[in-house]
Amino acid sequence: NAGVTQTPKFQVLKTGQSMTLQCAQDMNHEYMSWYRQDPGMGLRLIHYSVGAGITDQGEVPNGYNVSRSTTEDFPLRLLSAAPSQTSVYFCASSEGQAKYQPQHFGDGTRLSIL
Amino acid sequence: RKEVEQDPGPFNVPEGATVAFNCTYSNSASQSFFWYRQDCRKEPKLLMSVYSSGNEDGRFTAQLNRASQYISLLIRDSKLSDSATYLCVVNKDDKIIFGKGTRLHILP
Repeated sequence: NAGVTQTPKFQVLKTGQSMTLQCAQDMNHEYMSWYRQDPGMGLRLIHYSVGAGITDQGEVPNGYNVSRSTTEDFPLRLLSAAPSQTSVYFCASSEGQAKYQPQHFGDGTRLSIL
Repeated sequence: RKEVEQDPGPFNVPEGATVAFNCTYSNSASQSFFWYRQDCRKEPKLLMSVYSSGNEDGRFTAQLNRASQYISLLIRDSKLSDSATYLCVVNKDDKIIFGKGTRLHILP
């Protein structure tokens, strides 16, 4: 079972470049979310989606865009990368109402912005 | 007050000892509470849910105190493999909020 798949696993960007972090899940989960994890800061919620066509902001949404055109995919876009966005990014999904269900995480994407 | 607060540790505990962590949360309307475990450079994984009446899973016991707005995790007979960061997780409406985590080192 694939579960939650994130690509790429590692990426180095230059300041100002754009890129999309991919996240796909094969569990037919309604809820998907993106977190970033920085040393000493824990996981911080960037954006989340309660179902296809619905997205909302988390704690730290600035500089990131998301869309949810299908149940399976929830890409995260950096329009103009900044060094402050250097982090480890985790995508997660859960079935039904997320607040009652465990989150299933991908392996993470390690992103460095030079 | 931060939404979810944890003592960052590290807790250095000899193998076989009992260790307890607390986590406080600010939103009195929160309904769901979890403990996750995260190993170094790995993704978080669910350890256990926390129920109002308290619950146990083997050596792990979780409790919820709604009046004081904190949850706790007790680990008995600690093993070397318990070394990890333990994350407290609370919902705020549809948002799932993670604490910064408590690092635990089990010493041989």
